[in-house]
Amino acid sequence: GAVVSQHPSWVICKSGTSVKIECRSLDFQATTMFWYRQFPKQSLMLMATSNEGSKATYEQGVEKDKFLINHASLTLSTLTVTSAHPEDSSFYICSARDYRNNEQFFGPGTRLTVL
Amino acid sequence: QKEVEQNSGPLSVPEGAIASLNCTYSDRGSQSFFWYRQYSGKSPELIMFIYSNGDKEDGRFTAQLNKASQYVSLLIRDSQPSDSATYLCAVIGSGGSNYKLTFGKGTLLTVNP
Repeated sequence: GAVVSQHPSWVICKSGTSVKIECRSLDFQATTMFWYRQFPKQSLMLMATSNEGSKATYEQGVEKDKFLINHASLTLSTLTVTSAHPEDSSFYICSARDYRNNEQFFGPGTRLTVL
Repeated sequence: QKEVEQNSGPLSVPEGAIASLNCTYSDRGSQSFFWYRQYSGKSPELIMFIYSNGDKEDGRFTAQLNKASQYVSLLIRDSQPSDSATYLCAVIGSGGSNYKLTFGKGTLLTVNP
């Protein structure tokens, strides 16, 4: 299967700081990437859909000014959690859609802890 | 609202048995169906996808799709303890969904040695 990487794999930060998470498709081009959040023992929650070269589409209830998404190239999307607070602590996972088909591959996730 | 329903389990089977995981979806126009496996604390891993009615086999895994019944299943033959995980059913719906996956809540499978 295709490979999607995320960086960092985990991060601990102080409340009020901003954190950037990178998502890269390593061996395929991804016109569309998705950002999810997962709290312990809960299902995946889609936050936003990111299309290369255009603005992200956010799901209802997700603050676009707090979760900034940039999809500058066919292999890279970034999620910036601005002014993070303890309630933003979660497991953030990206996925990338291979443009040749509908298959979506997930990155390994980033575990964010805000103190 | 487009929904994907799964039995949350836990589903417990003995090693070597067949595990059967089921999923129903509400969007009749859905075209693409996926099964992911997620180990605790890890991200989902794509196991199989299926687009056409019928069965699709890949090693110990068989996906079955019945669009008339809006039903998709995953069979795991010769279940192993390493198959113990949460299995997520996901669907790409109709109507310009931008390839957005709608996930079920997952079924927790435990394979007992």
